[in-house]
Amino acid sequence: AQKVTQAQTEISVVEKEDVTLDCVYETRDTTYYLFWYKQPPSGELVFLIRRNSFDEQNEISGRYSWNFQKSTSSFNFTITASQVVDSAVYFCALSEGGTGGFKTIFGAGTRLFVKA
Amino acid sequence: AAGVIQSPRHLIKEKRETATLKCYPIPRHDTVYWYQQGPGQDPQFLISFYEKMQSDKGSIPDRFSAQQFSDYHSELNMSSLELGDSALYFCASSPSGSYEQFFGPGTRLTVL
Repeated sequence: AQKVTQAQTEISVVEKEDVTLDCVYETRDTTYYLFWYKQPPSGELVFLIRRNSFDEQNEISGRYSWNFQKSTSSFNFTITASQVVDSAVYFCALSEGGTGGFKTIFGAGTRLFVKA
Repeated sequence: AAGVIQSPRHLIKEKRETATLKCYPIPRHDTVYWYQQGPGQDPQFLISFYEKMQSDKGSIPDRFSAQQFSDYHSELNMSSLELGDSALYFCASSPSGSYEQFFGPGTRLTVL
């Protein structure tokens, strides 16, 4: 069965520090998608990135970067020079096909506190 | 670009009452998913619909039912509400065959 593990429950950093959020997943499928979402205190799920199982290219978007390694089933997320506005809960998620569609399985989330 | 619309955004109910949450998917998206996120929890899949038929079912209580209508909007009906039903309910939509779901802003249900 599919599973997403975010071992870090909470992380606290000081502004301008770099921080990496870990994500390890389990799936039997060869085709799947991985996602990162940000959930600020207001509650909405903000989409950050999507990566399919055939694309192991790392990606950088501004202060955000992602490292996808199929060999270790990991999809880690790094924020460079963190800011107070980065404080939120971050979810790693996996979507794979099944008889009923492509439901998304979320990790437990990592709560990031960035202090000024 | 149009996004997923959920209504209401906030709902307060008493125990044993009923609630109906609505979801309007992105135009031309024919698949709808419902998720429940309890306080401090991750979103959990409840149920999904494709072309107005239930396509998958997760940990949805028997007190809950849902359907998708001919215009592809979906409603989640919740009866005999319990305190533990207090949560954020997300709807997501996708075009058929797509792994990516687009999430709505959520409906925050509070049961008193």
